[in-house]
Amino acid sequence: AQSVTQLDSQVPVFEEAPVELRCNYSSSVSVYLFWYVQYPNQGLQLLLKYLSGSTLVESINGFEAEFNKSQTSFHLRKPSVHISDTAEYFCAVSLAQGGSEKLVFGKGTKLTVNP
Amino acid sequence: DGGITQSPKYLFRKEGQNVTLSCEQNLNHDAMYWYRQDPGQGLRLIYYSQIVNDFQKGDIAEGYSVSREKKESFPLTVTSAQKNPTAFYLCASSLHRDSGNTIYFGEGSWLTVV
Repeated sequence: AQSVTQLDSQVPVFEEAPVELRCNYSSSVSVYLFWYVQYPNQGLQLLLKYLSGSTLVESINGFEAEFNKSQTSFHLRKPSVHISDTAEYFCAVSLAQGGSEKLVFGKGTKLTVNP
Repeated sequence: DGGITQSPKYLFRKEGQNVTLSCEQNLNHDAMYWYRQDPGQGLRLIYYSQIVNDFQKGDIAEGYSVSREKKESFPLTVTSAQKNPTAFYLCASSLHRDSGNTIYFGEGSWLTVV
């Protein structure tokens, strides 16, 4: 079965600094990878996902993530963060097989952007 | 606007009572899900449904029950058998339960046992 490890439970940074949120997965077969964001007391929203093709995927608000098959990683990066990026970020993985497959979430990383 | 509506947002339950959380979607999605979120533990799947009148247990189904009588609705009942029900509950849906589909979430419901 697939699993996801988010290496940092909390990441504090200053505004306009770069940030990287780390995500590693384990699976013996091909996977699809996702990053979701959760603002306080709200549901999760999809930030970006990798299904196939280019290993670098981008979101509309400046985040990007790169699928690295050899390192089984899908780290999330942003070159300059804003106060409004303060939220919890979840990495998730599902097996890239036909039919119904379970989406497995990591335990989340709380990003706090300080002025 | 299309989306997923969960109600109530906040719910208090006395020990020994059953409570039902409502989830309605107007996205015309086939698949619906219930997740439980506890601090520092991420999301854990309780139940999911791929089509009307069919549902499957997830990883932590004990003490919970669901029904899927209509495509738009997937209510979750937290029964008195659930030993530690205080948590944030998230309903979600996707077009189909294929692995590459995006899952869309509702705003969540807080359940507190008093």
